[in-house]
Amino acid sequence: AQKVTQAQTEISVVEKEDVTLDCVYETRDTTYYLFWYKQPPSGELVFLIRRNSFDEQNEISGRYSWNFQKSTSSFNFTITASQVVDSAVYFCALSGGYGNKLVFGAGTILRVKS
Amino acid sequence: NAGVTQTPKFRVLKTGQSMTLLCAQDMNHEYMYWYRQDPGMGLRLIHYSVGEGTTAKGEVPDGYNVSRLKKQNFLLGLESAAPSQTSVYFCASSYPRQGRINEQFFGPGTRLTVL
Repeated sequence: AQKVTQAQTEISVVEKEDVTLDCVYETRDTTYYLFWYKQPPSGELVFLIRRNSFDEQNEISGRYSWNFQKSTSSFNFTITASQVVDSAVYFCALSGGYGNKLVFGAGTILRVKS
Repeated sequence: NAGVTQTPKFRVLKTGQSMTLLCAQDMNHEYMYWYRQDPGMGLRLIHYSVGEGTTAKGEVPDGYNVSRLKKQNFLLGLESAAPSQTSVYFCASSYPRQGRINEQFFGPGTRLTVL
């Protein structure tokens, strides 16, 4: 069975601090995809990134970066120089198999204080 | 494009009442999903569909039924609502592509309270 663990329930930082959100996954599939979604206080789910199991290159998009390590089954997300607008719940998710279903982690609440 | 829309946005039911949540997408996506979000548990898949006329059970299907009579619509039904079904319900859609899993596009959610 597939499983995603986000061990950090809630993180509080002060603006401009860097913060890393952890994601550890379990799967028996050899081909799978990992995702990060953001849920701001308004409630919608915003897609941030998709990464397939064959691509272990790190990715950077502005202040966001992702570190995928297959050896430790982790797909961590770092926000550099955090801002108040980054305050949200962040979900890591895993997909594979029939129907491309997503298995979500429990989410990490990020609070960025000014 | 409106993307994925959900009707209604809010609803309060009494135990034992029934209701249907409607999800519509205008992106011509093959795949559609219903999730529920509960505090501390992330999103859990209720049912999903890989095409018009097909449905399948997800992780937490009990107490729910679904139908996909038209490609653009995916209905979630509660026949006899229970307080345990108080949750926020999200619909999502996606499209298959060979050799790749695409992201899912989510609707705005429906907040359901069962008293």
